[in-house]
Amino acid sequence: EVVLTQSPATLSLSPGERFTLSCRASQSVSTYLAWYQQRPGQAPRLLMYNASKRATGIPARVSGSGSGTDFTLTISSLEPEDFAVYFCQQRYDWPFTFGPGTKVDI
Amino acid sequence: QVQLVESGGGLVKPGGSLRLSCVASGFTFSDFYMSWIRQAPGKGLEWVSYISDSGTTIYYADSVKGRFTLSRDNARKTLFLQMNSLRVDDSAVYYCAKCIYRGDMDWFDPWGQGTRVTVSS
Repeated sequence: EVVLTQSPATLSLSPGERFTLSCRASQSVSTYLAWYQQRPGQAPRLLMYNASKRATGIPARVSGSGSGTDFTLTISSLEPEDFAVYFCQQRYDWPFTFGPGTKVDI
Repeated sequence: QVQLVESGGGLVKPGGSLRLSCVASGFTFSDFYMSWIRQAPGKGLEWVSYISDSGTTIYYADSVKGRFTLSRDNARKTLFLQMNSLRVDDSAVYYCAKCIYRGDMDWFDPWGQGTRVTVSS
């Protein structure tokens, strides 16, 4: 099973700041990696897939990069709605797995 | 627009059974792979199972294999998850999700709002 680790576990930031999250895979997943955002009380929402493709409706200030085992999610300027939990997920191999999440709070 | 509405969750004793349903609308259900993903209270996400558009290919997480059965009724635009021999650690919010592209396995979005399953004596 591919194990995904995320860092940091929690990030405290202010609106307007830039943030970068990290996701590391225990083995290569090529670019079969996605990022999800989960706001309190809501279902996760797909932000990025195939490491660097934005999902429908996701603004250009959100970007992703990486391949193999190391991936990053960047938001260039934090908006109030960006304060949430972010998960990475791989579908290179079954079972698909998620990282433990990074909480971004104010 | 795409809507996924889950139902069937509730409180059940260990060893009991539940059948979850996910009714889809706003897209051609029979064209898309579908999936169930769960999230235990205050915990991370776990992929439970997915099914191909035709229903002929199904994968299960090892934690539910032999106890859970995934199926779909394309005429009724409904996804089902039959859960037997439930354990305390099956307690979670169960989300139904739709593949983003038709006809093949890919990423899943959107997800429904979820249905809560609590297994407790």
